[in-house]
Amino acid sequence: AQSVTQLGSHVSVSEGALVLLRCNYSSSVPPYLFWYVQYPNQGLQLLLKYTTGATLVKGINGFEAEFKKSETSFHLTKPSAHMSDAAEYFCAVIFSGGYQKVTFGTGTKLQVIP
Amino acid sequence: DTGVSQDPRHKITKRGQNVTFRCDPISEHNRLYWYRQTLGQGPEFLTYFQNEAQLEKSRLLSDRFSAERPKGSFSTLEIQRTEQGDSAMYLCASSHPGLAGGNTGELFFGEGSRLTVL
Repeated sequence: AQSVTQLGSHVSVSEGALVLLRCNYSSSVPPYLFWYVQYPNQGLQLLLKYTTGATLVKGINGFEAEFKKSETSFHLTKPSAHMSDAAEYFCAVIFSGGYQKVTFGTGTKLQVIP
Repeated sequence: DTGVSQDPRHKITKRGQNVTFRCDPISEHNRLYWYRQTLGQGPEFLTYFQNEAQLEKSRLLSDRFSAERPKGSFSTLEIQRTEQGDSAMYLCASSHPGLAGGNTGELFFGEGSRLTVL
């Protein structure tokens, strides 16, 4: 069955430390992959996306993600966490077939400790 | 502000009552989506419109739920005979198709309508 999994519902990092949020998908055909961010009391917004081409994708606010087909992963990273990065992050996919709805993971809440 | 707007932002109702949410998408977007989000979960797909046509409905959407987009602009989501399990944040998003008509995956979300059923 096709699915998207985020490991860790809560992640805490110190300000200035590396941020690593994990996302894996289950599909025989590589899907389109996305990361969305939801800041407190705001709507979700697209952080970055991978459809085709270069497997390392850069997004807003210094975030990037790498599509690894062999590992069926699309982990989100940022070299140095900032207090303003505290938010909930959702991995999302579009699986092939159907009307291509966006399917979201369960989310990872990032806490940045000063 | 030309983003996606949802109304009302908060709704408290008693079990058994009907509620209706409205979504106004970004004007040039022909695709509109409804999602539901509960605490600790990611958004769950409910239904999707392209212009006025409802193209897909999730099995999550029971017969008590109905969505419309009569003129291909704003949309309404109605829940009849609400139950406590309907308490959630209802999210609306809009998008425009990619060059080949496919889904670019870039959804523009409103801030949501929070429903509390007592």
